[in-house]
Amino acid sequence: KQEVTQIPAALSVPEGENLVLNCSFTDSAIYNLQWFRQDPGKGLTSLLLIQSSQREQTSGRLNASLDKSSGRSTLYIAASQPGDSATYLCAAGNSNYQLIWGAGTKLIIKP
Amino acid sequence: NAGVMQNPRHLVRRRGQEARLRCSPMKGHSHVYWYRQLPEEGLKFMVYLQKENIIDESGMPKERFSAEFPKEGPSILRIQQVVRGDSAAYFCASSPGAVTDYYGYTFGSGTRLTVV
Repeated sequence: KQEVTQIPAALSVPEGENLVLNCSFTDSAIYNLQWFRQDPGKGLTSLLLIQSSQREQTSGRLNASLDKSSGRSTLYIAASQPGDSATYLCAAGNSNYQLIWGAGTKLIIKP
Repeated sequence: NAGVMQNPRHLVRRRGQEARLRCSPMKGHSHVYWYRQLPEEGLKFMVYLQKENIIDESGMPKERFSAEFPKEGPSILRIQQVVRGDSAAYFCASSPGAVTDYYGYTFGSGTRLTVV
């Protein structure tokens, strides 16, 4: 049974710092891995999708990596800004087309 | 392209009433997925539908919950005789095909159900 864990549960850093959010999964047989952003009381915004055959994806200041063999994905945020404050969720697409979700990392960027 | 549209955004029901949540997928998407996010918990898969077919409802509670995706119109998640434990955010996602290496999900903004 696939389980997805995100560490840390919460993170507070000063503006301008580079930071890394971690996601681990127990079953390496995933179809893809997605990172999402969730703002309080709002919906889910897809940030990056890494296909199982890929190692990383980049969009602007965001870079996500995927290491299936170790069951890990990281989301790197460069030059953080207060607007980056949100909860970041990772989700593994498993062979049954379901997304298995982590509980999220709540990120606060202090001005 | 209006994206995945869910309505209502907020829904308040008294215990015992029925709740109907609607989801219109992105244009060209024929696969719809419903997820539930309980307070302070991660999202959990509920059901996967294609037009007129339920493909996987393994995440749906066996009683009171049902889902449909008719040939015409939005997908509907229906909760009968709601209880306080049904209070949650319900998210709908759509994709052009089943999840493979090449497809991801696009989510709607969710419906926040509060049972009083």
